[in-house]
Amino acid sequence: QKEVEQNSGPLSVPEGAIASLNCTYSDRGSQSFFWYRQYSGKSPELIMSIYSNGDKEDGRFTAQLNKASQYVSLLIRDSQPSDSATYLCAVKESGGSYIPTFGRGTSLIVHP
Amino acid sequence: DTGVSQNPRHKITKRGQNVTFRCDPISEHNRLYWYRQTLGQGPEFLTYFQNEAQLEKSRLLSDRFSAERPKGSFSTLEIQRTEQGDSAMYLCATLPGQHYGYTFGSGTRLTVV
Repeated sequence: QKEVEQNSGPLSVPEGAIASLNCTYSDRGSQSFFWYRQYSGKSPELIMSIYSNGDKEDGRFTAQLNKASQYVSLLIRDSQPSDSATYLCAVKESGGSYIPTFGRGTSLIVHP
Repeated sequence: DTGVSQNPRHKITKRGQNVTFRCDPISEHNRLYWYRQTLGQGPEFLTYFQNEAQLEKSRLLSDRFSAERPKGSFSTLEIQRTEQGDSAMYLCATLPGQHYGYTFGSGTRLTVV
């Protein structure tokens, strides 16, 4: 049973701070990692993908992957109230049908 | 608008009735997935099509659930004899290739009363 674990939160940060969201996974064969943002009542939206160990930056977002420790994280710099949402981590294994497993998501609240 | 269209947006039905949802994917995406999401949980995989072939089904997809994708274009998900436990958001997602992230549709929220 592949598992993807996220702290459900809520994680509360002040506007302008760095929000750090974490995700651990059980399948060592996992190769592709994704972060989705989901606003309340809406569908998930892809914001980052990462495939190699290290950091990947896109604007205010940085994804960090450590395959040896089986965790992936998302940093949001200069957090804005509009970043308040649930952030879903999804992990795909390398073989088989490439169906990703989603975590339950972490709720982020950015307060002014 | 993500380019993946789902209809209806909301559906309220009585227990025991049948319901059908539709997903119109981005035309050049040959992979189409159905997920179910309940409050406080991540999306759970239901089934997957590559073109018109249904290649995988989750054990969550009981005999009451059936999905089709005729001619590899739009897809339908039907739930027969709905139960209250079927109440959830049903999400359609597409991919241009296996190493990409999903583009989700806006979802269909089903409420079984």
